[in-house]
Amino acid sequence: EVQLLESGGGLVQPGGSLRLSCAASGSTFSSYAMAWVRQAPGKGLEWVSAISGSGDRPYYADSVDGRFTISRDNSKNTLFLQMSSLRAEDTAVYYCAKDGAGSNWYFDLWGRGTLVTVSS
Amino acid sequence: EIVMTQSPATLSVSPGERATLSCRASQSVSSNLAWYQQKPGQAPRLLIYGATTRATGIPVRFSGSGSGTEFTLTISSLQSEDFAVYYCQQYDNWPTFGPGTKVDIK
Repeated sequence: EVQLLESGGGLVQPGGSLRLSCAASGSTFSSYAMAWVRQAPGKGLEWVSAISGSGDRPYYADSVDGRFTISRDNSKNTLFLQMSSLRAEDTAVYYCAKDGAGSNWYFDLWGRGTLVTVSS
Repeated sequence: EIVMTQSPATLSVSPGERATLSCRASQSVSSNLAWYQQKPGQAPRLLIYGATTRATGIPVRFSGSGSGTEFTLTISSLQSEDFAVYYCQQYDNWPTFGPGTKVDIK
């Protein structure tokens, strides 16, 4: 059974950068697309970014396009989110999530999340 | 962007009763609709996809219906572990989520 574990969250100043990682267990990581979804404190869910199984097709929400970069290392079963020019409104728990089937973009497995706080 | 709305914002239900949650899309999403359950401090869990298909391991008391712009999640007989927040999400276009319905104990 695949499991997802995020890391890399923390406190960062506005304008700063942070890199999140998501380690996946199991041997079929490259066969499915992955995504990042965030949740601001006390708020709902917001899709942030997604990437194809091969890693050659990244996608971004308008709110992060040009500031965040998604990537993956299939040899290490790891998904990344490089975040730069961070703003207070980027403060949230960031979840990595596995695409349910064929880049349909519903999410059948979620990690436990990592908290990113953007504050001076 | 497809905007998702959910009603009610809060639903108070007694254990054993039926709960009906509604979700509406600002334009047709066909059957590309998923439902998630989230408990405090936990990640969301997929309940339903394709508007009507239960995800692996989801009890039969959870059922989904609808297509186009109007969708419903029904919990036939609420158990104590079902008190949570429920989100709908469309994936006909880039994913967007509804604001959630909190189901609490009456």
